[in-house]
Amino acid sequence: GENVEQHPSTLSVQEGDSAVIKCTYSDSASNYFPWYKQELGKRPQLIIDIRSNVGEKKDQRIAVTLNKTAKHFSLHITETQPEDSAVYFCAASMERDDKIIFGKGTRLHILP
Amino acid sequence: DTAVSQTPKYLVTQMGNDKSIKCEQNLGHDTMYWYKQDSKKFLKIMFSYNNKELIINETVPNRFSPKSPDKAHLNLHINSLELGDSAVYFCASRPYSGSRDEQFFGPGTRLTVL
Repeated sequence: GENVEQHPSTLSVQEGDSAVIKCTYSDSASNYFPWYKQELGKRPQLIIDIRSNVGEKKDQRIAVTLNKTAKHFSLHITETQPEDSAVYFCAASMERDDKIIFGKGTRLHILP
Repeated sequence: DTAVSQTPKYLVTQMGNDKSIKCEQNLGHDTMYWYKQDSKKFLKIMFSYNNKELIINETVPNRFSPKSPDKAHLNLHINSLELGDSAVYFCASRPYSGSRDEQFFGPGTRLTVL
C-alpha cells in the first residue's frame, strides 16, 4: 500500500522567512496530493492540493511542487506570519483506492 | 451551517465501558470516514463508507463497529474501552469514493479513557 513520509517533524522559522516541508510517496499510481493545516485543538483543513498532471500550484503565499519521477512533493510558505503556526500534513491518494494516506505531520513554529 | 458535525465533542469514560460517537454531514457527499489521531498527532484512517457500504476497514480491533444508517450519517460504536483508545476521533466526508476533491473533517471527538 501507499506510504507517505514527511520531513521535518518540527520546523521553526523567523517571522517573514520562508518554510519548506517535504514529502515522499511510494505508489506511483497516486495522483492527488492535498496539504492540510491543523491549528491547535481544531480540525484539519485543506489549504492547497495538487493533481498529478500539474507540476506546481500557487495560492498567495502558499505553493506546492510535485516531482512525479522522484515521487516527492513539497509545500512552500513565503513571508511567514504568526498565524501560520500549526501542524501541517501532506497526503496522497489515488482514484482506484479510496484512502487518503497522511504523512506524520510537521509542527511549524513561527518565531517573533 | 456546519458541513460535518460530530457529537459529543468530549467523552470521558471508564475502561470497559461502551460508547458511541455520532457524525453527520450535510454536503450531500457519498463517502464518509473515521480517523484516529493519537497524542503524536498521527492521523490514521480506520473506516470508510460509500453510500452506506463499508469500503475500507483497516486493522482496527473488533471492538470498533461503524454503522451508517444513511449516507449522511456514520456512527462509531466502541465496546470494552481500553486506555489505548484515548485519542481524538475525526469524522470526514468526500464527494465520492476515489474523488480527487477536498475531504472535509468534523470538529473531532476527544475520547479519554480512565
